Amino acid sequence: GQQLNQSPQSMFIQEGEDVSMNCTSSSIFNTWLWYKQDPGEGPVLLIALYKAGELTSNGRLTAQFGITRKDSFLNISASIPSDVGIYFCAGPPISGGYNKLIFGAGTRLAVHP
Amino acid sequence: KAGVTQTPRYLIKTRGQQVTLSCSPISGHRSVSWYQQTPGQGLQFLFEYFSETQRNKGNFPGRFSGRQFSNSRSEMNVSTLELGDSALYLCASRGWSSTDTQYFGPGTRLTVL
Repeated sequence: GQQLNQSPQSMFIQEGEDVSMNCTSSSIFNTWLWYKQDPGEGPVLLIALYKAGELTSNGRLTAQFGITRKDSFLNISASIPSDVGIYFCAGPPISGGYNKLIFGAGTRLAVHP
Repeated sequence: KAGVTQTPRYLIKTRGQQVTLSCSPISGHRSVSWYQQTPGQGLQFLFEYFSETQRNKGNFPGRFSGRQFSNSRSEMNVSTLELGDSALYLCASRGWSSTDTQYFGPGTRLTVL
């Protein structure tokens, strides 16, 4: 089945730094989603991308849907301590079933004040 | 409006027992999906229900089952628990719009001893 490869696995940065993480696949996705999960909670949707080449922002977060439809990246600018958590990329399989998302393994972000 | 709620939040069972987890979707949402999250396998899709019918199923053994009621509330059941079933079980609901996305509950943390 389709898989999502997320990198890096973890990041440890200083407060104020910018962060970049990405997600790739060997097959195409028609929708890319970025979620953040805090400890003991469920994932919360950050950004949804529906069109190849689309660039979308949500506050300090910016995400892009790759032109090849096989990748996406998420940038966080001027990181703050509350950015700590696990970031997941996800997407519905090309075979259909929007409600059965495929998730990447996650990028664990730690922010040092 | 209220988000997705899951009960109980924490559960401890022993091997061989069975367990039932409950999920109440966002009001008006008729699609409910279940995911299992473990450190080793990450987030994996279990099954999806829509209007009381199972619409999609992930690659899990028959010990995992679910159902949905007429008020869209859903339950999942795991019979003959194994140690490897210890995980965070997440429920997500989704609305009608084609651009609507899944909203996750806080999860039920199941520990099998």
